[in-house]
Amino acid sequence: QSVLTQPPSVSGAPGQRVTISCTGSSSNIGAGYDVHWYQQLPGTAPKAFIYGNINRPSGVPDRFSGSKSGTSASLAITGLQAEDEADYYCQSYDISLSGWVFGGGTKLTVL
Amino acid sequence: QVQLQESGPGLVKPSGTLSLTCTVSGGSISSSNWWSWVRQPPGKGLEWIGEIYHSGSTNYNPSLKSRVTLSVDKSRNQLSLKLSSVTAADTAVYYCARIAGHPTYWGQGTLVTVSS
Repeated sequence: QSVLTQPPSVSGAPGQRVTISCTGSSSNIGAGYDVHWYQQLPGTAPKAFIYGNINRPSGVPDRFSGSKSGTSASLAITGLQAEDEADYYCQSYDISLSGWVFGGGTKLTVL
Repeated sequence: QVQLQESGPGLVKPSGTLSLTCTVSGGSISSSNWWSWVRQPPGKGLEWIGEIYHSGSTNYNPSLKSRVTLSVDKSRNQLSLKLSSVTAADTAVYYCARIAGHPTYWGQGTLVTVSS
């Protein structure tokens, strides 16, 4: 069981908006540690899509946005496109474990 | 552009030791950052194994700490991972990565299967 909790799957039609939640606790997200989001396509390494809660690396479409509040964070994707179909993971730091923690991952399906 | 490349045996026998090397190119391993190992069992999520600083300081995932050793070879710009007493549950794609800070860098990953 992952320290950060994500829904196993989300889906949406092309053009729609979806959100992926990442729920932590007072020892990680709630303690003020940043949340980062990765996109992973089949057979490839994770790629950073959001860092520092809200920042998009160069090359990531502005359809992707991140937010954080309390012990949770969210990744929002607007104007869904077929190419967005992938697994998404959140990452943060946990002071109790003195290490990095990941969410269990969310599979996004574009209907 | 920093690039990471994992290498090592793709098959390890149960109770043996998994040993992997990560070669860093395009940048110095002595840059001010921590270098991590992350693994992903087939069809499952990401699990952080541990991290090492170029000075040799380490932090480990408590669930693996008793079996993991990380080391760094600055002369070769390489990181190493050793995981002892492996079982089938250790079968995974193993990544070396720099995930502390931005930008992040990941190797392509290498599949290690634990089987007799």
